[in-house]
Amino acid sequence: GAVVSQHPSRVICKSGTSVKIECRSLDFQATTMFWYRQFPKQSLMLMATSNEGSKATYEQGVEKDKFLINHASLTLSTLTVTSAHPEDSSFYICSASFPSGVYEQYFGPGTRLTVT
Amino acid sequence: DAKTTQPTSMDCAEGRAANLPCNHSTISGNEYVYWYRQIHSQGPQYIIHGLKNNETNEMASLIITEDRKSSTLILPHATLRDTAVYYCIVRLLLDTDKLIFGTGTRLQVFP
Repeated sequence: GAVVSQHPSRVICKSGTSVKIECRSLDFQATTMFWYRQFPKQSLMLMATSNEGSKATYEQGVEKDKFLINHASLTLSTLTVTSAHPEDSSFYICSASFPSGVYEQYFGPGTRLTVT
Repeated sequence: DAKTTQPTSMDCAEGRAANLPCNHSTISGNEYVYWYRQIHSQGPQYIIHGLKNNETNEMASLIITEDRKSSTLILPHATLRDTAVYYCIVRLLLDTDKLIFGTGTRLQVFP
C-alpha cells in the first residue's frame, strides 16, 4: 500500500514555543492531505483539510492562526503548532488520499507532542 | 456525513472469527461504507470498503445488508495482532472527502 511518513515521531517542547510536524507521501502524489488530533482514549478529530497550492480548510473550533498548515508540494504538508501550551499536547496524525480511483486514505504513524 | 453506531468493545478468542457490527441507518445512496482500524499509538489502517455488495480482501470481509442500513466486518481468523479499535465510516467516494471518525469498537483478541 501507499506510504505516508511523519516527522518527528515524538517531540517535547516548552510552553510558548512553536513546533513543526511534517507529513510526506513517499510513493505517490497527494493533492489532498488531512490533519487529525487525538487525545488519550478518544477518537481522531479532524482539524483541517490541506490542498496543495491553496489555503487549508479548518474544521469548526480549530484556530487557523495557531495551527498553521502549509501544503507546498504534492508530497509534503506541514503543521506548525504556534505558541504551544500544555493543552496542545496530543497525538497528531496526517493522512493523504491515494488517487487510485478507490480513494482510501493512508495515514501516517502519528506524532506525539508533549508541551511542558 | 451519515453517522454510524458501533458497540464500544468486543472480545474474541484467537483463531475465531471476529464479527464487528455497524449501524448506519441514515446512509445515502451514494455513500460508501469504509472500515479502518487503529492499533495503539499508531495511525489508522485502511481495511476495506463497499457500496452495496459484499466485499472480501486479504484482511477481512464486509457484509452489507440489502437495505444498507447496517454492515458487519468479519475477521475470519482473529490473531492477537488484530487487537485494535475498529472504525466504521460512511463517506462519498471522493479523494477530497474527509473521514469523520466515531468512537469505534475496541476489539480485544485473547489467547
